Amino acid sequence: SQTIHQWPATLVQPVGSPLSLECTVEGTSNPNLYWYRQAAGRGLQLLFYSVGIGQISSEVPQNLSASRPQDRQFILSSKKLLLSDSGFYLCAWSVSSGGLWANVLTFGAGSRLTVL
Amino acid sequence: AQRVTQPEKLLSVFKGAPVELKCNYSYSGSPELFWYVQYSRQRLQLLLRHISRESIKGFTADLNKGETSFHLKKPFAQEEDSAMYYCALRTGFQKLVFGTGTRLLVSP
Repeated sequence: SQTIHQWPATLVQPVGSPLSLECTVEGTSNPNLYWYRQAAGRGLQLLFYSVGIGQISSEVPQNLSASRPQDRQFILSSKKLLLSDSGFYLCAWSVSSGGLWANVLTFGAGSRLTVL
Repeated sequence: AQRVTQPEKLLSVFKGAPVELKCNYSYSGSPELFWYVQYSRQRLQLLLRHISRESIKGFTADLNKGETSFHLKKPFAQEEDSAMYYCALRTGFQKLVFGTGTRLLVSP
């Protein structure tokens, strides 16, 4: 069966420090991968999505970047964190082909980032 | 603009009462809509989607293109329905836009 892992689960970082959040999917090939940020009162905001290795689409201008070095690995990064980067980050995947499960997202457990 | 609106941040009902969580969307194409749910200490997960026309845990949702709505309904709420509910709209190839969510609180 397919599983999705995210880590770290919790992270406290000073302003100006770098960030790396990692997400991996098991049990499937060539998934679509997503990074969302969940904020109270603002719902889930799509940050990045990827349909293949090295293919990254950014949805909003920001201080963050994403990379997909391997088929089932998705990394969210920043060179210098801002206070406004604090939040709850969710990784998700979906099948890349059509059919019954197209557009259905499976989410990871999330990573809570606090920037001080 | 492609947008999902969930006007209620919090909906509080008593056990056994009917529930309707509102969702309105704005989309120029043919909409594909979903409801996701997040129970306490659990991951966000799919509840149902309009193309399946299914009832999950007693919940149903009908797509009304005239009113651009996809409200989630349940005739008799249960305490275990207490959770955060998100409405989502597919806006492009495999991209979903989510609403701001409604917290449902079912009291005994």
